[in-house]
Order: sequence, then C-alpha cells, then structure tokens
Amino acid sequence: AQKITQTQPGMFVQEKEAVTLDCTYDTSDQSYGLFWYKQPSSGEMIFLIYQGSYDEQNATEGRYSLNFQKARKSANLVISASQLGDSAMYFCAMREGLGNFNKFYFGSGTKLNVKP
Amino acid sequence: DAGVIQSPRHEVTEMGQEVTLRCKPISGHNSLFWYRQTMMRGLELLIYFNNNVPIDDSGMPEDRFSAKMPNASFSTLKIQPSEPRDSAVYFCAITYGNTIYFGEGSWLTVV
Repeated sequence: AQKITQTQPGMFVQEKEAVTLDCTYDTSDQSYGLFWYKQPSSGEMIFLIYQGSYDEQNATEGRYSLNFQKARKSANLVISASQLGDSAMYFCAMREGLGNFNKFYFGSGTKLNVKP
Repeated sequence: DAGVIQSPRHEVTEMGQEVTLRCKPISGHNSLFWYRQTMMRGLELLIYFNNNVPIDDSGMPEDRFSAKMPNASFSTLKIQPSEPRDSAVYFCAITYGNTIYFGEGSWLTVV
C-alpha cells in the first residue's frame, strides 16, 4: 500500500482564492510527522509546514495551514489567498520511526497552477 | 534554510564517465539522505546515513552507485560508470529536529 497518496496530479486556482491540496497517509505508528514541501520550477524543495501526530491544533504558517484529520488519516494543505508565485509542485510527506532512525515517505505531488 | 550545500549544481557528462556529487550539511543534523528525482519515478530514496553510518541503502539502483560519509560535514554520491538513464536531479537532505531539509539539488545529464 502507498504510504502517502496525493490524488490530484494537477490543480488550477484563481489568484486570491483559497485552494486545498489533498493528502492521505497510511501508518500503524502512533508517533509520526506530516510535512508539505513546495517545489517551484527552479527545482529546490522548500519546507512549508509540519504537523506532529500528537498535535491537537492544526499547524499554520502564514497563508499555509494543514487540515489534520487523524481518524481519516488525511493531512490536506490549504493555501489561502493564492498568489501567482504559489504555482509549483507540492509534495506531501510523512516521517515514521523514532529518534534518529526515521524513514520519510513522499507522495507523487500535485502541480498547482494559479491563474491571474 | 537549514543549510545543505550541494555541488555541482549542474553537470553534463558523457556516458561511461565517473560522476561525483557532493554534499556539505549544516552541523548538528541528525541524518543525511540522498534522493533522486525523475519525471517518471518521482522522488526516490537512494540511501541514508545516521552518525555517518549507512543505515538503509536498499534504494541504491545498482553497483554503479556508491555513497560515502567520511565525516559529519561531508558526503559523496558516486556513479561509475554513468549511463543516460542516470540523468536526474539528485538531492542531498538532512533531518534537523523533526524536519527534513533539502539542498538545491545537482542536475545531472548523461549524454
């Protein structure tokens, strides 16, 4: 089974609107972490936001928020007030394991296009 | 960012040549990873190190690939001999605290 599933290969959103990028995960661990990364056309992988499995509040970082639904095993990324510079690939990722022996799993990504 | 310096940023080489990719991570990291990214296969974990020791190299595609981490501040990924299908972006990444941070990548083209 896939550890991280991103079902939207591509998405369009109008500038200034909000957009939700879907991510579901699969783990039997109690302690894990969830991440989102942005990869613009220049290629670098930029860390956006982190949610720990024990965090009760949804993580927020500026215009980014992570909608964490533990029972559903989903960790959707919400981008509010989209900007043209948000056009990029977005990867959802999960960390399993404890201490220094971590494994990270990445989804296949969602390509977001923000239209002016 | 957390500080992962990769070199070279871009390399074009001929099939059969040896390629060495370098990574200099910030001090204080926990683990170091090498990933490969292609359009067809997405992001693949090649190998990762803890305390300079390789923990999982099951993602290394074949014997042509080797990775070393002689000390906490330096790692190399070597391909010998290189083939056109090795063309990809190779990322070095580290964990710092809970999070994994990536270098800017080395774009390799083998012709």
